[in-house]
Order: sequence, then C-alpha cells, then structure tokens
Amino acid sequence: ETGVTQSPTHLIKTRGQQVTLRCSSQSGHNTVSWYQQALGQGPQFIFQYYREEENGRGNFPPRFSGLQFPNYSSELNVNALELDDSALYLCASSPGGPEAKNIQYFGAGTRLSVL
Amino acid sequence: QQQVKQSPQSLIVQKGGIPIINCAYENTAFDYFPWYQQFPGKGPALLIAIRPDVSEKKEGRFTISFNKSAKQFSLHIMDSQPGDSATYFCAAADSSYQLIWGAGTKLIIKP
Repeated sequence: ETGVTQSPTHLIKTRGQQVTLRCSSQSGHNTVSWYQQALGQGPQFIFQYYREEENGRGNFPPRFSGLQFPNYSSELNVNALELDDSALYLCASSPGGPEAKNIQYFGAGTRLSVL
Repeated sequence: QQQVKQSPQSLIVQKGGIPIINCAYENTAFDYFPWYQQFPGKGPALLIAIRPDVSEKKEGRFTISFNKSAKQFSLHIMDSQPGDSATYFCAAADSSYQLIWGAGTKLIIKP
C-alpha cells in the first residue's frame, strides 16, 4: 500500500452536476498530482499542487479545479459534469518538491460515472 | 512530441517466459522513465524507473533497458509468474512536473 487514500471509491452523478473528490497524501509528501484515466487508456495529467499552490496544469478545462490544504491533502472539483468525464480519477503524492518530482505514489482512485 | 508510444497493446506469455514491453519517445528533454504496474480496480504502482545516464537497471525480476540514441526503452520480466498478470504502463517526464504515459500493455501470464 502506498499510504495515499482517496474517497469516495465510487460515485455516480448526472450530467451538469458538480463533484468533489478527495485525496490524503502519504505522510511527509507535500506534492499532489491528479490524473484522469479513461477505460483502457493511460492516465492523463490534470494538475499538480505543491505547498497549497497549483504548480502545473494539463490540457483540462477550467471546470476542473483543485485545492491543497495545509496538511497537504487535496480536493479535485469538477463542475458542469459531462458524460466524457466518466473515468477513474487518480491522486498521486510525491516526496519533496517538484524537483524531487515524478516519483509518484498513487491511490486506488475514485471511479466516477456520469449518466 | 509529448507522446510516449507503447507496444504491444496486449501480450500473452507462458509461465517462466520473458515478456518484453517496448516504449518510444520523441522529446529529448525527457530525463526520467518509470514503469508502472496496475491491477484491476487499483491505482498504478511504481515498479522501476531509469534515468538516461544508464543503459540498464535491474530490480528483482524486472529490468529496464534504455537506448538513448534510439529514444526507446523496454521492460523485461524474468521468470514471469501468473501473479504478474496486470496492465503495464511506461511513462516519461522532463524537468517539469507531469508524467506522460503510454497507452498500456495488458499482460497475461498463462500457468
């Protein structure tokens, strides 16, 4: 186990609704990244937070937003849900700062279904 | 230029065989190349990673071979076991923060 926990494990929403996904990073890790993984595909980078600030963003629209808290836990918020948002959402934490980067430990993910 | 191309899409190997999964990249700024293993319903787990200053790295039964001039790297699994059946992803990163992932290889090890 990586020590990265995500909640909830599964979620069903309807189109147009809003959703909040949560991630608790591994102890001592201050960098959190979020990924979207569609069925049968590799993860796609959404954004990363380092010490409560967004440190980089992938090719996702502004309705995908996030937060990181002082304890380094994080939230991913998605507004105006679309059917294509149905995916596994993965959170990964990293030790040190972005320079220690890339050594990312993943949670089990939240499976979001949009109907 | 940001893509990582992974092959094959799926692979079936007998127990004890050596599955080989290949990845290719274009961006010469990439300097970190990890492999992840993902079981159904789980998040990806880091298996092994390499940086371009070495051509090979071994950890247990897993070996990465890296060819900088060809911009290719591969994962070899020695003495494969049914428990190795999973989806394997290669990835790459430059000095920034994000991992660029391959599309994945679904590996089945037959008993």
